[in-house]
Amino acid sequence: DQQVKQNSPSLSVQEGRISILNCDYTNSMFDYFLWYKKYPAEGPTFLISISSIKDKNEDGRFTVFLNKSAKHLSLHIVPSQPGDSAVYFCAAYSGSGGSNYKLTFGKGTLLTVNP
Amino acid sequence: GAGVSQTPSNKVTEKGKYVELRCDPISGHTALYWYRQSLGQGPEFLIYFQGTGAADDSGLPNDRFFAVRPEGSVSTLKIQRTERGDSAVYLCASSLVSDSLPYFGPGTRLTVT
Repeated sequence: DQQVKQNSPSLSVQEGRISILNCDYTNSMFDYFLWYKKYPAEGPTFLISISSIKDKNEDGRFTVFLNKSAKHLSLHIVPSQPGDSAVYFCAAYSGSGGSNYKLTFGKGTLLTVNP
Repeated sequence: GAGVSQTPSNKVTEKGKYVELRCDPISGHTALYWYRQSLGQGPEFLIYFQGTGAADDSGLPNDRFFAVRPEGSVSTLKIQRTERGDSAVYLCASSLVSDSLPYFGPGTRLTVT
């Protein structure tokens, strides 16, 4: 039972355009969400996060939007750069449920930014 | 060291053998985690250490898997009687405390033939 779902295995965009990566979750206990970026042969690196008390968090070219009623979040990258090409993982955990150490990950979306 | 390190980076073993995977967390980090990433999947939680003790080992798939962290720093994940289904990338992460951001190592790719 996948509690965090990334339904698009891959996404291809042109350099300079917007990349939108989507994530859905089913567990209502999740109240903190993170996006990780992973290059081949490296571990996931933290990108941006959002707590359930917010609906938007922005950091430079990266913005995460959270729609709690729809149990949906998205990561926007504007403008996309070739160096953004990587696998992006959505992850969640329940801080209020006492499981703030245990991340549940989606399967990831491979983003390719074409020059 | 600057980040989480894991050794070996790659391990090939025969079915039925015993393997040990090592994780060196970031200095001073009290929390340590093991995750497993199978092909085409996201990382899945295995076990969490707070200091020397395993605070949550609910993600270990069965009793062939065991992990230790005897001095509250380096951790070893031990897999007995390996099976082909154990083939995956084993990721270690550490964080300053349990509710702070975890930093991941590069992983150990285990292949069981």
